[in-house]
Amino acid sequence: EAQVTQNPRYLITVTGKKLTVTCSQNMNHEYMSWYRQDPGLGLRQIYYSMNVEVTDKGDVPEGYKVSRKEKRNFPLILESPSPNQTSLYFCASSLSGTNTYEQYFGPGTRLTVT
Amino acid sequence: GQSLEQPSEVTAVEGAIVQINCTYQTSGFYGLSWYQQHDGGAPTFLSYNALDGLEETGRFSSFLSRSDSYGYLLLQELQMKDSASYFCAVRGFEGAGSYQLTFGKGTKLSVIP
Repeated sequence: EAQVTQNPRYLITVTGKKLTVTCSQNMNHEYMSWYRQDPGLGLRQIYYSMNVEVTDKGDVPEGYKVSRKEKRNFPLILESPSPNQTSLYFCASSLSGTNTYEQYFGPGTRLTVT
Repeated sequence: GQSLEQPSEVTAVEGAIVQINCTYQTSGFYGLSWYQQHDGGAPTFLSYNALDGLEETGRFSSFLSRSDSYGYLLLQELQMKDSASYFCAVRGFEGAGSYQLTFGKGTKLSVIP
């Protein structure tokens, strides 16, 4: 089954404790992206990747890091989480950078930072 | 200035037709997408318009007018399962490349019996 998977689905952590949210897709998509969703603010892009070893900042990149060493994986790293990063995070992928109008989303990771 | 606007809430009766509007002001534009998101779920792609006109997919249709910087999603024969949030998303908003989607804040549709 074609899908985007994320782990963990739920995470409660404390301020400053480094964490990684994994994202994997099995559709051989070139483009991958991370979004955060907050009430009343919609989906905001954090980082995106056009292909392996090619990443770029989205609209809200502060406090986040990403890497793309393999085509299928695009982990999101929070080196020193803060309470304002409490949010619902979605990973998404599309066939290529010219097909981003149709993105496939993972199930989401709900992160709470205390 | 740059903006991407859609109503925050809409209520409609089961079996009826509802239209969700989306207006945008942007220095760049490649096209308009629509996504559906049920509570607790992930966004799922519904439709995309790059050119003016109407695109139909079953009960759902999407329209774009580039000259008016306006689009809408039309849902016909509403069913209870259509209760969800609907997001419009612009490719190329604020002069970004065609590879970025900027989402509106979403419209929460409630379908009532």
